[in-house]
Amino acid sequence: DFVMTQSPDSLAVSLGERATISCKSSQTVLNNSNNKNYLAWYQHKPGQPPRLLIYWASARESGVPDRFRGSGSGTDFTLTISNLQAEDVALYYCQQYYTIPWTFGQGTKLEIK
Amino acid sequence: QMQLRESGPGLVKPSETLSLSCTVSNGSVTSGNYYWSWIRQPPGKRLEWIGYVYHGGSARYNPSLKSRVTISTDTSKNQFALVLRTVTAADTAIYYCAREPLTVVRGIMDVWGRGTTVTVSS
Repeated sequence: DFVMTQSPDSLAVSLGERATISCKSSQTVLNNSNNKNYLAWYQHKPGQPPRLLIYWASARESGVPDRFRGSGSGTDFTLTISNLQAEDVALYYCQQYYTIPWTFGQGTKLEIK
Repeated sequence: QMQLRESGPGLVKPSETLSLSCTVSNGSVTSGNYYWSWIRQPPGKRLEWIGYVYHGGSARYNPSLKSRVTISTDTSKNQFALVLRTVTAADTAIYYCAREPLTVVRGIMDVWGRGTTVTVSS
């Protein structure tokens, strides 16, 4: 299985500042035939279902604010949240969908400093 | 907008069978545009994809669970179901259902249920 490793496990960022979360895959999720990275990011708030934020490593899902940006390729990816808002407090997960079984990172807990 | 909702018993005894349903609202489980998935999260652990089913087609499962899992659709109830056999305490988790939109790519999950907690205990 592809192992997805996120860092840090938790971070605290001041309102209005930038949060950066890293995700590393044990194997490449870049499909050379279409040049797409099979990597998604989700936001998960307590009591709510997970929400898809980003797919293809950098494509924002409809309705996701442009403060959320995904980047990276191959095995190394980043989720950047600019101008942090109080409603961004949540767990964030990366997930590869390059090969079955789809696998997730362990999650990063984002809090307000 | 399509919504999903999980249902089923919250407590299952060891060695017995866990059965959950996911009801699809504002959409049809027979749609050819989606795979229907189950994902779980044991306490303190990461999300684990269990498998998906495509209506009228085959199901795919996580190899770690394949021998114990069946996912199927029930068109009469507009639901899809998860059956997990011979459960142990390690199967205690929050279970989520979700859809994978084939209009984009299989593997991303763009609509999720709120999840249902299942505890395996005697």
